[in-house]
Amino acid sequence: AQSVAQPEDQVNVAEGNPLTVKCTYSVSGNPYLFWYVQYPNRGLQFLLKYITGDNLVKGSYGFEAEFNKSQTSFHLKKPSALVSDSALYFCAVRDIAGANNLFFGTGTRLTVIP
Amino acid sequence: ETGVTQSPTHLIKTRGQQVTLRCSSQSGHNTVSWYQQALGQGPQFIFQYYREEENGRGNFPPRFSGLQFPNYSSELNVNALELDDSALYLCASSLDGTRGYTFGSGTRLTVV
Repeated sequence: AQSVAQPEDQVNVAEGNPLTVKCTYSVSGNPYLFWYVQYPNRGLQFLLKYITGDNLVKGSYGFEAEFNKSQTSFHLKKPSALVSDSALYFCAVRDIAGANNLFFGTGTRLTVIP
Repeated sequence: ETGVTQSPTHLIKTRGQQVTLRCSSQSGHNTVSWYQQALGQGPQFIFQYYREEENGRGNFPPRFSGLQFPNYSSELNVNALELDDSALYLCASSLDGTRGYTFGSGTRLTVV
């Protein structure tokens, strides 16, 4: 079975500092991993995905994620946080054994402090 | 290129009633998935339609049903509404389910 875990419910970071939002995964086979962001009362916006290839994936709005197979992690990162990055972030893995639907983590609320 | 649009944006229903939510998929996408996002939770997969056929279902009871139309738009129907059905319902479309998913802004359903 596929699953992801986001160990932190809340992450606070000062504006201009680097940010990391953590995600670990459990899959049988090769993982297809995604990060989405959700702003209040909105749907999910795609940030980036890892399918295969380079372990460092670059995405939208300056975000990137590092795939680490030995640690089964896919942490989201940004070198310099903006106040506008404050939102709810979800890690997800694709169910390649089923309908290719996504299994989401419980989400991490990121607050960037001015 | 249009994105995924959902209607209505908000809805209030009484326990025991039935509700229909609608989704127009992104142009060129033939796969539609529905997710339920309860307050403070991550989205949970309800079911998926590919070319008008259900091709996957999550752990939801049969009173959650759906349709996909020839233009790939979709409906989610929920019968005998319960208070716990209160949630944000998200629709996502993709091309064959093998690439990225585009999500709509969701329908906020409140059951009272």
